[in-house]
Amino acid sequence: NAGVTQTPKFRVLKTGQSMTLLCAQDMNHEYMYWYRQDPGMGLRLIHYSVGEGTTAKGEVPDGYNVSRLKKQNFLLGLESAAPSQTSVYFCASSRLAGAPDTQYFGPGTRLTVL
Amino acid sequence: GQNIDQPTEMTATEGAIVQINCTYQTSGFNGLFWYQQHAGEAPTFLSYNVLDGLEEKGRFSSFLSRSKGYSYLLLKELQMKDSASYLCAVMDSNYQLIWGAGTKLIIKP
Repeated sequence: NAGVTQTPKFRVLKTGQSMTLLCAQDMNHEYMYWYRQDPGMGLRLIHYSVGEGTTAKGEVPDGYNVSRLKKQNFLLGLESAAPSQTSVYFCASSRLAGAPDTQYFGPGTRLTVL
Repeated sequence: GQNIDQPTEMTATEGAIVQINCTYQTSGFNGLFWYQQHAGEAPTFLSYNVLDGLEEKGRFSSFLSRSKGYSYLLLKELQMKDSASYLCAVMDSNYQLIWGAGTKLIIKP
């Protein structure tokens, strides 16, 4: 039982390049989330999904796209990276939909955009 | 707007007790969470409060007062491994987590 995994762990991009971050969970959770964490700020929700085939915008969705084709996977895409997207990205999942439940986090992806 | 406030940094001595406060203003309330995050690692769940009062879990306790928009995390018998950031998060009416910036706790021998 690996929990929540993320690939890659580190990445350096040049401005304008694109990339996809992959999140996978083996806990059969319905909800999945993508956050970014910046120094001096709380975790901010980028996009989330309430189940396979569904996605929704969070607090800071601009410049990102997501897809949830399979229940266990949640992909975050950056179409044209900008230096403002330099951050640590965390994926999380939770068991229940529409009710308070613990979120389980992946180890994070540290992205630098030059 | 929605707001979660907690101190940026605190220092305590090994073996002592420390209280980390969190105040919040959110649109709706479906519970308050505390997470621990060691440097360079993922946040991990510590506690959840939805009713007023104290929840105790080993060396860690969490308190909630909904009328005051206030919570605290109490850590007893501090150990060096407790050096970490402690994140307060409130679940709002849409079941979204609103996160504080975290309190960095430094433990000194």
